[in-house]
Amino acid sequence: DQQVKQNSPSLSVQEGRISILNCDYTNSMFDYFLWYKKYPAEGPTFLISISSIKDKNEDGRFTVFLNKSAKHLSLHIVPSQPGDSAVYFCAASAFTTGTASKLTFGTGTRLQVTL
Amino acid sequence: KAGVTQTPRYLIKTRGQQVTLSCSPISGHRSVSWYQQTPGQGLQFLFEYFSETQRNKGNFPGRFSGRQFSNSRSEMNVSTLELGDSALYLCASGKRGDSYNEQFFGPGTRLTVL
Repeated sequence: DQQVKQNSPSLSVQEGRISILNCDYTNSMFDYFLWYKKYPAEGPTFLISISSIKDKNEDGRFTVFLNKSAKHLSLHIVPSQPGDSAVYFCAASAFTTGTASKLTFGTGTRLQVTL
Repeated sequence: KAGVTQTPRYLIKTRGQQVTLSCSPISGHRSVSWYQQTPGQGLQFLFEYFSETQRNKGNFPGRFSGRQFSNSRSEMNVSTLELGDSALYLCASGKRGDSYNEQFFGPGTRLTVL
């Protein structure tokens, strides 16, 4: 079963606008969430994370929002730049079960930022 | 600071053979995890090693195994290769692996099974 879901396989956004990537999870034991960016032929690059005790975390142009009751998180990129074009993966882990390092990934959303 | 390195980057094998992949984590990182990425299944967790001990394991058959050395370097072995084992194998390292911390991925080893 897919415990972490990214229902939008692709997203196209104009340069300068906001990109919003969404992620839903089903396992209530997940308590730490991460976003990764992946370019072709490279490994995923860590972007930003959030623990379940927070509902928002910001790092420069990137902000992650967590809605625990809805089991939903989103990544906002403002403003979007052409270099942001990549595949974005949402990942989750469950620290309290002793499996903090076992990341469960979504299937990814391909973001294309157009000029 | 050097990143996670994986060797080889590309590998072609035939069904029934076995393969060993290598991963060197970031200096100071003691946790090494392995993931398999395929177009149909996305990134799937294989196993994690910390201080030479396997701490977590994903849902893969026993043909997939690994180990970690005292210098934190890790190897992953797949025996009796099947066509479905063709994938990008990614290694990730983390500082502790038992607390909130991000994992850093290597570039991966692309395995093709013919």
